[in-house]
Amino acid sequence: DGGITQSPKYLFRKEGQNVTLSCEQNLNHDAMYWYRQDPGQGLRLIYYSQIVNDFQKGDIAEGYSVSREKKESFPLTVTSAQKNPTAFYLCASSMVERPGVGYTFGSGTRLTVV
Amino acid sequence: DQQVKQNSPSLSVQEGRISILNCDYTNSMFDYFLWYKKYPAEGPTFLISISSIKDKNEDGRFTVFLNKSAKHLSLHIVPSQPGDSAVYFCAASWNGGSNYKLTFGKGTLLTVNP
Repeated sequence: DGGITQSPKYLFRKEGQNVTLSCEQNLNHDAMYWYRQDPGQGLRLIYYSQIVNDFQKGDIAEGYSVSREKKESFPLTVTSAQKNPTAFYLCASSMVERPGVGYTFGSGTRLTVV
Repeated sequence: DQQVKQNSPSLSVQEGRISILNCDYTNSMFDYFLWYKKYPAEGPTFLISISSIKDKNEDGRFTVFLNKSAKHLSLHIVPSQPGDSAVYFCAASWNGGSNYKLTFGKGTLLTVNP
């Protein structure tokens, strides 16, 4: 079955450490996205990529970095510069030319800074 | 600047009755509107969408209404079931140029009581 896989499901990080969240899709989707969910904040866009080797900052990109070396993969690195990294992170993918279909989301990664 | 607004953080409904979730938007360029359903610790799943050229779209128990002049859309669930209890996100997009990016509201927590 095609889908989008995020790993790990739970992640603990010490303050000052970088950590990378994995996102892989086998849907042959062109675009991939990273969102962050905090209580009462809804979904906020961190980064998105419409094509391999290209990506754009979303609304809250500070303290995060991404890469898109392969169509299937869009890892997110939470750096030590991110001041409040504890959150639920969601990866999504979509066909760029089919806006009415929307995104397919992964099941999320819960990151906790200890 | 919040372009998609869900002004009700929560809604409680009796099983079998109608649930009405509301969403307002400010960007007149939006041309697709979508609803997502999200359970705790899971990724959102696509529920139903509507193009700006329509005013109604129906899929089983779910109907979305769009009032472009009021920049308002609503999701009706009839009859409501306990399994419908989840957070519902309204989202909108516009295909400006070659970009496609969803803007999400903050979500409404629906609780359907048996």
